[in-house]
Amino acid sequence: AQRVTQPEKLLSVFKGAPVELKCNYSYSGSPELFWYVQYSRQRLQLLLRHISRESIKGFTADLNKGETSFHLKKPFAQEEDSAMYYCARRGNTDKLIFGTGTRLQVFP
Amino acid sequence: GAVVSQHPSWVICKSGTSVKIECRSLDFQATTMFWYRQFPKQSLMLMATSNEGSKATYEQGVEKDKFLINHASLTLSTLTVTSAHPEDSSFYICSAALGLDGIQYFGAGTRLSVL
Repeated sequence: AQRVTQPEKLLSVFKGAPVELKCNYSYSGSPELFWYVQYSRQRLQLLLRHISRESIKGFTADLNKGETSFHLKKPFAQEEDSAMYYCARRGNTDKLIFGTGTRLQVFP
Repeated sequence: GAVVSQHPSWVICKSGTSVKIECRSLDFQATTMFWYRQFPKQSLMLMATSNEGSKATYEQGVEKDKFLINHASLTLSTLTVTSAHPEDSSFYICSAALGLDGIQYFGAGTRLSVL
């Protein structure tokens, strides 16, 4: 079965500290990986996808096929980054498989 | 752009009644929409994939007769929870796929409380 694992339920850092939200996926062909973010009282929205290889709001994520990981990183966290982050994969169909999510808390 | 509207945002109903939730893509046409269910402090679980003009594809373990999905147009999909019971209380979220790469854009969700 295709799985997405986010081992941390909660990650707390201080403003300005580096952040890494972990995501591992079960190997199955050539998956497409995404990071979605949900700010307080807002809907889920796409943050970035591995195909784009872009940096959004200072966040980057590199697909590591050897480690089957797609960790989300930001060198200097900001308070406004506090949110729920979901890693997701898409396989042969259009379906998204979500991880359980990691809540990021950035303290001032 | 790429706005998905979901209505209602919150509904309370009596056990045994049916509830309809609407999902609309406001500024784009979506041939495929998705319905998810989210339990408190848990991840989104895909319930079904809704394709315009055809029957929905349900995930394993999801009752087709309990959760009726209709995708009558390219901008509207509806989820009807039939004969709702307290265990159906949950947060239901829809999404619509845009473009050839099928990026999903999400609605704000509907909180269903069945008394």
